[in-house]
Amino acid sequence: GAVVSQHPSRVICKSGTSVKIECRSLDFQATTMFWYRQFPKQSLMLMATSNEGSKATYEQGVEKDKFLINHASLTLSTLTVTSAHPEDSSFYICSARGEHGYTFGSGTRLTVV
Amino acid sequence: DAKTTQPPSMDCAEGRAANLPCNHSTISGNEYVYWYRQIHSQGPQYIIHGLKNNETNEMASLIITEDRKSSTLILPHATLRDTAVYYCIVIYNTDKLIFGTGTRLQVFP
Repeated sequence: GAVVSQHPSRVICKSGTSVKIECRSLDFQATTMFWYRQFPKQSLMLMATSNEGSKATYEQGVEKDKFLINHASLTLSTLTVTSAHPEDSSFYICSARGEHGYTFGSGTRLTVV
Repeated sequence: DAKTTQPPSMDCAEGRAANLPCNHSTISGNEYVYWYRQIHSQGPQYIIHGLKNNETNEMASLIITEDRKSSTLILPHATLRDTAVYYCIVIYNTDKLIFGTGTRLQVFP
């Protein structure tokens, strides 16, 4: 079946630093990937849609300069949280769309201290 | 995308069938019904999807009403590992998945 690998699973960083999260489709090509964030006891909120070779499309209210998305290949998309602050602490999840539908990564728990 | 309505929580005894309802009264003819679940602190897991006909796979069955305004996900023999939040999503073709609040299913011994 389709597998999406997301790394790291957990990261703790200092306030003001940047953190990069990787999302890889291991056994299929994904022209489109999605990035979500999830706060405790809440549902997943779509942040942006990432298309290979083009600029990401951000949902309303999501700062594109803070959450940099790169989708340079058909199997890799990255999300960089720039100048992270404690309010950016959250669970970040990626999803890749292939011919078999949507497959999700296992998520990244980001804690900014 | 059509909005879905799900009960916030449900309980089910282990070994019994869990029937999770979903209302999607504004669904259009070419929109699919997808079900995902999320076990605590993990990424969502695909369960099943359908358009008009009832569907069954190794995990669950999906029953869609004839008018397509509602559906039910059936886990035939719930286990403790089925405790999770279940999301019903209506989507057109290859659009983005938008998650609602889902149903928190608690399976008890």
